[in-house]
Amino acid sequence: NAGVMQNPRHLVRRRGQEARLRCSPMKGHSHVYWYRQLPEEGLKFMVYLQKENIIDESGMPKERFSAEFPKEGPSILRIQQVVRGDSAAYFCASSEFFGSRGYTFGSGTRLTVV
Amino acid sequence: DQQVKQNSPSLSVQEGRISILNCDYTNSMFDYFLWYKKYPAEGPTFLISISSIKDKNEDGRFTVFLNKSAKHLSLHIVPSQPGDSAVYFCAASAFGNEKLTFGTGTRLTIIP
Repeated sequence: NAGVMQNPRHLVRRRGQEARLRCSPMKGHSHVYWYRQLPEEGLKFMVYLQKENIIDESGMPKERFSAEFPKEGPSILRIQQVVRGDSAAYFCASSEFFGSRGYTFGSGTRLTVV
Repeated sequence: DQQVKQNSPSLSVQEGRISILNCDYTNSMFDYFLWYKKYPAEGPTFLISISSIKDKNEDGRFTVFLNKSAKHLSLHIVPSQPGDSAVYFCAASAFGNEKLTFGTGTRLTIIP
């Protein structure tokens, strides 16, 4: 049973380009969470999704960032017109059900904006 | 507003001794606390958790203590082993909310 799979592991984008980060949850998990870790900081919650629904996006920046978790396929975190401040490690996690009180993280995507 | 604080950025401990990592929180709505361990270039790995109805939870070499009145929790690792060298994050959540609030982490180095 594979864990949470994130790809790519490393992504380099020029300022102004779009970044697409993908996350495949663990088998049987229908809840996905995205977190961002800036250098020398802890992980910060961005968004919580269930299949086809955004449940909590209170941590998402208001502009340029969007997330989806379609009925089929991985969850996608999309950052449009990237800026240097978007450089960070982006972690995805999944859980089986609401109220599971803790979840499994993927290895992350390290985004570098040059 | 840092609701979960880990005031020690780093800690060095001799192999075989006890490692004690501390965490403070300010939000009284938090009722579930977790510790994650993180190696470089990997995602956080769940270590141990504790509910607010308990004051202690043990799993092998790892014990978490919760002092609700002081809004403080600690992770004890005994005996410490070289493989324990990693960054440790404390996290908290409130009932009915799947969001985890993380501290900034403590880098633990075990000295052989």
